[in-house]
Amino acid sequence: EDKVVQSPLSLVVHEGDTVTLNCSYEVTNFRSLLWYKQEKKAPTFLFMLTSSGIEKKSGRLSSILDKKELSSILNITATQTGDSAIYLCAVPHGSSNTGKLIFGQGTTLQVKP
Amino acid sequence: GAVVSQHPSWVICKSGTSVKIECRSLDFQATTMFWYRQFPKQSLMLMATSNEGSKATYEQGVEKDKFLINHASLTLSTLTVTSAHPEDSSFYICSASDSFSKNIQYFGAGTRLSVL
Repeated sequence: EDKVVQSPLSLVVHEGDTVTLNCSYEVTNFRSLLWYKQEKKAPTFLFMLTSSGIEKKSGRLSSILDKKELSSILNITATQTGDSAIYLCAVPHGSSNTGKLIFGQGTTLQVKP
Repeated sequence: GAVVSQHPSWVICKSGTSVKIECRSLDFQATTMFWYRQFPKQSLMLMATSNEGSKATYEQGVEKDKFLINHASLTLSTLTVTSAHPEDSSFYICSASDSFSKNIQYFGAGTRLSVL
């Protein structure tokens, strides 16, 4: 059964800290891995990763995929209170091509001033 | 680009009434739309997948007669919660993907449903 597991489930840091969020997956026919940020409303798309070892970067956020380890990390440097959110990792369902995503439980990040 | 609009953002209704939630892709054609439910402090739970012009595919345990989904055009899908009960109170979120970037889903802002 396809599965996505995120760790830690929650994290509290202070502004300026650097955080690393983890996502591991088990899926047949891996195609890609996606990261989303969910604040009070619905998730917003951050990154889609398909190739191992190639870092994707957007401002203070970056992410990399390791297909050998079946995992990905999301790094946030110099955290700000506005980074407080739930970060969701997802992979497309392996055995069908419907576009269905399997989501992890999410990591709740709280950045204190 | 890739904006999905969901309406209403918040609805309160009496038990036994039906509620319709709309999901529109504003700047792209959504070949597939998805409906999720999210409980507090939990991840997204997929309810159903809908493709334009065909019947929705429901996930196991989701009552199709309770949660009616219509995807009549490439930019609009609706979810109707029929005969709502307090246990249907939840946060409902839609998402849409296009045929080009099929694995990326773009989400609406969600609808908070409270059934009294």
